[in-house]
Amino acid sequence: DPKIIQKPKYLVAVTGSEKILICEQYLGHNAMYWYRQSAKKPLEFMFSYSYQKLMDNQTASSRFQPQSSKKNHLDLQITALKPDDSATYFCASSQDAGSSYEQYFGPGTRLTVL
Amino acid sequence: GDSVTQTEGPVTLSEGTSLTVNCSYETKQYPTLFWYVQYPGEGPQLLFKVPKANEKGSNRGFEATYNKEATSFHLQKASVQESDSAVYYCALSEPSGSWQLIFGSGTQLTVMP
Repeated sequence: DPKIIQKPKYLVAVTGSEKILICEQYLGHNAMYWYRQSAKKPLEFMFSYSYQKLMDNQTASSRFQPQSSKKNHLDLQITALKPDDSATYFCASSQDAGSSYEQYFGPGTRLTVL
Repeated sequence: GDSVTQTEGPVTLSEGTSLTVNCSYETKQYPTLFWYVQYPGEGPQLLFKVPKANEKGSNRGFEATYNKEATSFHLQKASVQESDSAVYYCALSEPSGSWQLIFGSGTQLTVMP
């Protein structure tokens, strides 16, 4: 059974709209993350959460808002979508927040903004 | 800022030949180093990590040694297989801060039968 679930697998949106990317982990981990992978850039860190609290935000835009309703959930809301937001978004988790903890990645949500 | 630089791809090898993917890093701290592998349509999977200098990590025949003096963490495998075809990422994580993974640009490996 998949340990990190991301929904949907594929998402198509129009410019200016809003979407929510879902992430659930069943590893019992306390830290969760979002990364973005686009054709132009390598895997790029966006957010980190530990015990449902925001640890770091490396996105330049407030259009990206993580939402943690439960300990094992970290959704990503993106508003006012732009074509440049087209990318694959990966959720990850680790046992705890710390450099030596392995981060495990979900299968990703591929977002296309038209 | 911190950065990771790795062999530019794509790399094409024949089955049974040896692989080296170079990785060098820049940081002011003492990071943990990782190698991840990504198959098409999937998220990155951890190959192995090495938290301490002069130690070696290994998994599935791949290995890398944390060389603090040379700031390098080169990935090696003695004999590649067709199933090793994937994108390989070198990454680092700092001991303080957000514990984000900083990735290299990735190296696409194709192994021909």
